[in-house]
Amino acid sequence: DAKTTQPTSMDCAEGRAANLPCNHSTISGNEYVYWYRQIHSQGPQYIIHGLKNNETNEMASLIITEDRKSSTLILPHATLRDTAVYYCIVRLFGGSQGNLIFGKGTKLSVKP
Amino acid sequence: GAVVSQHPSRVICKSGTSVKIECRSLDFQATTMFWYRQFPKQSLMLMATSNEGSKATYEQGVEKDKFLINHASLTLSTLTVTSAHPEDSSFYICSARSGLTKNIQYFGAGTRLSVL
Repeated sequence: DAKTTQPTSMDCAEGRAANLPCNHSTISGNEYVYWYRQIHSQGPQYIIHGLKNNETNEMASLIITEDRKSSTLILPHATLRDTAVYYCIVRLFGGSQGNLIFGKGTKLSVKP
Repeated sequence: GAVVSQHPSRVICKSGTSVKIECRSLDFQATTMFWYRQFPKQSLMLMATSNEGSKATYEQGVEKDKFLINHASLTLSTLTVTSAHPEDSSFYICSARSGLTKNIQYFGAGTRLSVL
């Protein structure tokens, strides 16, 4: 699975959009981009995933660049409960192979 | 999303005893289950992968005789930490997926193990 690079930490004001970047320059054509988050002392929570088109769900939006070498997770209106470590992971989709390998992620702190 | 239940959420045991952690997929049948370990201020580290009815595949450096994994049904996997020692104290997290979850991995809430 391709490796990802994320900033170590970010701050965001409550109510504003949080934009979390991720670089995955070695991503292969059949690898998807997944985003998870881990709130302190809990298991990771699935947020969203995508291949090459932008994706949106009730939690967030995922913007993937045309060359697929980077992506941005957008939390449109961050709340204090969004404070967590956010992980960007690339892996194959749909197959029995490919586990989620977690990097260090980005620690997002949402401040009042 | 799919629900993965993990029990117990916290366990404290004496050195030398064995501890069993259960992981259940509540609303789907999980063809594959995973066990991760997380030390303080570190990221999750994959320990092993198990498919129902098959022996688990352990990651390099994980002792299979110490961390016994049983995936006896499509909804239940167990991790037994045998002869636990203080250095085994950690946060253990299970995960499950299947074609029914579009191969998205869902995670349990984790088990905090403290070995005295």
